[in-house]
Amino acid sequence: DIQMTQSPSSVSASVGDRVTITCRASQGISSWLAWYQQKPGKAPKLLIYTASSLQSGVPSRFSGSGSGTDFTLTISSLQPEDFATYYCQQANSFPLTFGGGTKVEIK
Amino acid sequence: EVQLVQSGAEVKKPGESLKISCKGSGYSFTSYWIGWVRQMPGKGLEWMGIIYPGDSDLRYSPSFQGQVTISADKSISTAYLQWSSLKASDSAMYYCARRLAATEYFDYWGQGTLITVSS
Repeated sequence: DIQMTQSPSSVSASVGDRVTITCRASQGISSWLAWYQQKPGKAPKLLIYTASSLQSGVPSRFSGSGSGTDFTLTISSLQPEDFATYYCQQANSFPLTFGGGTKVEIK
Repeated sequence: EVQLVQSGAEVKKPGESLKISCKGSGYSFTSYWIGWVRQMPGKGLEWMGIIYPGDSDLRYSPSFQGQVTISADKSISTAYLQWSSLKASDSAMYYCARRLAATEYFDYWGQGTLITVSS
């Protein structure tokens, strides 16, 4: 199985800050990576797929980059509604696997 | 509007059987794979398996193969996840999700079904 490792596990930030989350795959996955946002008590929401493609309806302050084994999710200017947990997911091979999550908290 | 509506929360005893459901609407149910994802309390997401309702083609995660059964009834646009003998460790939130066409990403999710297994 491909292991997905996210860092940091949590980050404290203020409204307006730039936030970067990293995801590393245990082997190369080309660009087959997605990012999801999950708020407490809610289902995950797809933000980014194929490493850098913005899902329809997602604000442009979210962006993704990377290929191979190293990927990043960037929120350019954190908004109050962005406080949540973020997960990466590899889509290169079965079984599909998720990172452990990064919780973005209010500073 | 695409919607996946899951069945309600369940409280069961160890050893009991259970089948939960996920009903799709607002799109061609037989044309998109449906996956199941587990989230244990306070933990991350785990992919369990996926089914293509059009022909019931299936893929299981090795971690869940033999532990659960995934099925679908295309006549009523519903996918299922079932257990024959529940364990306390099956207590979790379970989500169904639609696979984005021609990818392995999930673009629409159900609201989740909370399963509690306790004696």
